[in-house]
Amino acid sequence: QKEVEQNSGPLSVPEGAIASLNCTYSDRGSQSFFWYRQYSGKSPELIMFIYSNGDKEDGRFTAQLNKASQYVSLLIRDSQPSDSATYLCAVDSGTYKYIFGTGTRLKVLA
Amino acid sequence: DVKVTQSSRYLVKRTGEKVFLECVQDMDHENMFWYRQDPGLGLRLIYFSYDVKMKEKGDIPEGYSVSREKKERFSLILESASTNQTSMYLCASIQGAAGNTIYFGEGSWLTVV
Repeated sequence: QKEVEQNSGPLSVPEGAIASLNCTYSDRGSQSFFWYRQYSGKSPELIMFIYSNGDKEDGRFTAQLNKASQYVSLLIRDSQPSDSATYLCAVDSGTYKYIFGTGTRLKVLA
Repeated sequence: DVKVTQSSRYLVKRTGEKVFLECVQDMDHENMFWYRQDPGLGLRLIYFSYDVKMKEKGDIPEGYSVSREKKERFSLILESASTNQTSMYLCASIQGAAGNTIYFGEGSWLTVV
């Protein structure tokens, strides 16, 4: 059974701090990795995707991928209260069957 | 802009009723999906379709069926609704090869009483 694991949280960080969200996956054949943000009662929205080992930056967000260790992380710099949401990690092994983690709830304290 | 529309946002149905959830995408995407999302269980794939009239079972297809008669429309059918099908249902689509970004609809909240 292919799995994607995330700490459910909540992860609480003060406003302006760096929030670090982690995700591990079991399928070594996984090729594409996504981070989605989901506000309560809303559908997930894409924040970032990453395909290659290393870091990928987009504004305040940085995705990090380490295929050897089978983990992907998301860093949010200068965290804002509006970043408070559940963050879903999703992994694709090239089969269209994207596997989602159960999400990490982030709380940014003003 | 990408648009996936789920026409029914909030539904309350009785046990044993037949339920239709409709999803339409305007991006000419080939691949469409139905997920359900439950607290603590995350998103689970029910069915997906990679072309008109083509479908494949996901991880939890029992109690559900799907229909894709047109490329833009993918319907989820609960033949006889049960209380354990109370959930949020998410439709999604992607273009082309696996690994591309999934776009989600706004979700359909179904309560079966």
